[in-house]
Amino acid sequence: NFMLTQPHSVSESPGKTVTISCTGNSGSIARNYVQWYQQRPGSAPTAVIYENDRRPSGVPDRFSGSIDSSSNSASLTISGLKTEDAADYYCQSFGDNDDDVVFGGGTKLSVL
Amino acid sequence: QVQLQESGPGLVKPSQTLSLTCTVSGDSIRSAGDYWSWIRQPAGKGLEWIGRTYIAGITDYNPSLKSRASISIDMSKNHFSLTLTSVTAADTAIYYCARIDSTGWSYYFDLWGQGILVTVSS
Repeated sequence: NFMLTQPHSVSESPGKTVTISCTGNSGSIARNYVQWYQQRPGSAPTAVIYENDRRPSGVPDRFSGSIDSSSNSASLTISGLKTEDAADYYCQSFGDNDDDVVFGGGTKLSVL
Repeated sequence: QVQLQESGPGLVKPSQTLSLTCTVSGDSIRSAGDYWSWIRQPAGKGLEWIGRTYIAGITDYNPSLKSRASISIDMSKNHFSLTLTSVTAADTAIYYCARIDSTGWSYYFDLWGQGILVTVSS
């Protein structure tokens, strides 16, 4: 079964840049698009990246996404970190049959 | 703007059936989107996709829940629903309903409800 692995946590200082990885366990991560969701404590998730590198309306351009086929990974990069960016971030793609939705385990971002 | 609101019992006994409804407000469900989904999150853990429904009634489910989950849509009531049978403590979670944006090459969850906590306990 296709699975996505994320680091449990990352931390960085305000104003800096952080990158969160999402690695596929088999096949090619480039086979399907990858999405990223931000979830602040006590709130529902919201999309920050879809189709690998596109931003939904209202998401600042400090958020960017990419795919690296050589490492079978997707990445979410947040530049100019703000304390409000502290949240859990989940990557999401699709399973072996292209219809089943698969989420990564989530990464807790601390900004301090 | 379109909003989603989950509703249903917050406590379900083991072996019974969990039933939740997601009410769409701000537009008709037919106009607001083509695909609708349920996702859950146990306390302190990650997200798990349950399944999705198309407005024409076609459904897809997480293989791990397929035998117990059912999603249906009621256009007249502007809502869609989830039933999960034979629940256990492992089904205790926050349940989210979400709209799927399928206008691009793929699809993603572009609108979420606030979530409802369902506890399975006797």
